[in-house]
Amino acid sequence: GDSVTQMEGPVTLSEEAFLTINCTYTATGYPSLFWYVQYPGEGLQLLLKATKADDKGSNKGFEATYRKETTSFHLEKGSVQVSDSAVYFCALSTSNTGKLIFGQGTTLQVKP
Amino acid sequence: SAVISQKPSRDICQRGTSLTIQCQVDSQVTMMFWYRQQPGQSLTLIATANQGSEATYESGFVIDKFPISRPNLTFSTLTVSNMSPEDSSIYLCSVGAASTIFGYTFGSGTRLTVV
Repeated sequence: GDSVTQMEGPVTLSEEAFLTINCTYTATGYPSLFWYVQYPGEGLQLLLKATKADDKGSNKGFEATYRKETTSFHLEKGSVQVSDSAVYFCALSTSNTGKLIFGQGTTLQVKP
Repeated sequence: SAVISQKPSRDICQRGTSLTIQCQVDSQVTMMFWYRQQPGQSLTLIATANQGSEATYESGFVIDKFPISRPNLTFSTLTVSNMSPEDSSIYLCSVGAASTIFGYTFGSGTRLTVV
């Protein structure tokens, strides 16, 4: 079945470091891909999305490119801040019925 | 994007009892989705709630344990029945679609602890 695999955490970085969180997927058809973020004590928020191959989603300095050839959607940010400390979830949806399949989540901790 | 109000935000319940979680959306939506996030884990879809028809449950989830109501296009409830400590989780409702600019929006969640 469809699935999402994320790199294991926790990831600990110093402020202004470069961030990559790997995400690969397995899906039949052509999924839409998402990154969600869950800040401490808060709900789940959409960070960015891409709906077709080679699309790049971007928001708040984060980027991810939909790579069909490698079935990947890696999250990157050039310079992380302490305020980026959160849990990041990669997810896919293979149809418009709304079923989101999530990866296991990656905890990011950014130290000053 | 749609605004979702979910309540209660948290509850501590005795085993063997039931809890009903409410989800109110500020606009009419065709489908509403209920997810479970067990402690330290990812989100898993419980069921999809369509107005005017029975909910569609994912593998491993049954209607007797998680009955869902969907009386209109802006409201849904999820009941966690005959609770055990294993039901301690965060339960979230969601609306949206992949094709929209906002994707899927989630409620703030209900943190349930069963003792």
